[in-house]
Amino acid sequence: DSGVTQTPKHLITATGQRVTLRCSPRSGDLSVYWYQQSLDQGLQFLIQYYNGEERAKGNILERFSAQQFPDLHSELNLSSLELGDSALYFCASSEGGQGAADTQYFGPGTRLTVL
Amino acid sequence: QQPVQSPQAVILREGEDAVINCSSSKALYSVHWYRQKHGEAPVFLMILLKGGEQKGHDKISASFNEKKQQSSLYLTASQLSYSGTYFCGTAPDGSQGNLIFGKGTKLSVKP
Repeated sequence: DSGVTQTPKHLITATGQRVTLRCSPRSGDLSVYWYQQSLDQGLQFLIQYYNGEERAKGNILERFSAQQFPDLHSELNLSSLELGDSALYFCASSEGGQGAADTQYFGPGTRLTVL
Repeated sequence: QQPVQSPQAVILREGEDAVINCSSSKALYSVHWYRQKHGEAPVFLMILLKGGEQKGHDKISASFNEKKQQSSLYLTASQLSYSGTYFCGTAPDGSQGNLIFGKGTKLSVKP
């Protein structure tokens, strides 16, 4: 158990809908990272927040957005969902803001299925 | 830009050794190694920073060759629990910290 929690564990929804994934980092960690893992694309970095501010952006679609709240939990919002958005979404956290140098601990993930 | 891992898959008997390689076309600042079992979260193994440092714990160690822009993960005297997919995540030198992950190496350890 990494100490990172994610809810829900599974989510099944229809195309065109909007969902929110939630992540709570390990106690004391200030950074939250979001990743998407699909069979064809592998593990892809989406976005990083550090202490409430966006720190780095990866291959995140415009239909997706995220934020980190004052209590440091983070939410990833996915809208206008398409079949291709079906994937495992992981949140990771680290103590500092340097993803390149910090150890990132992954949560258990949310499996999103878009029908 | 995505690092290339080799081999793609390997099957071992308990007690055998394995080496997994991770190569990048860009200069690297760091390499992160993770193991993931099917349907579970990636579990952190180790991080190697620019400087050619070698690290290890238990029977798993890794090296980082900056000049060759590659890292290798060494698994010695493999155990059944070592089975899973191993990913390297690389951070290019000068990047903001985004990790770019390879496609993974599937390791199966048989009794």
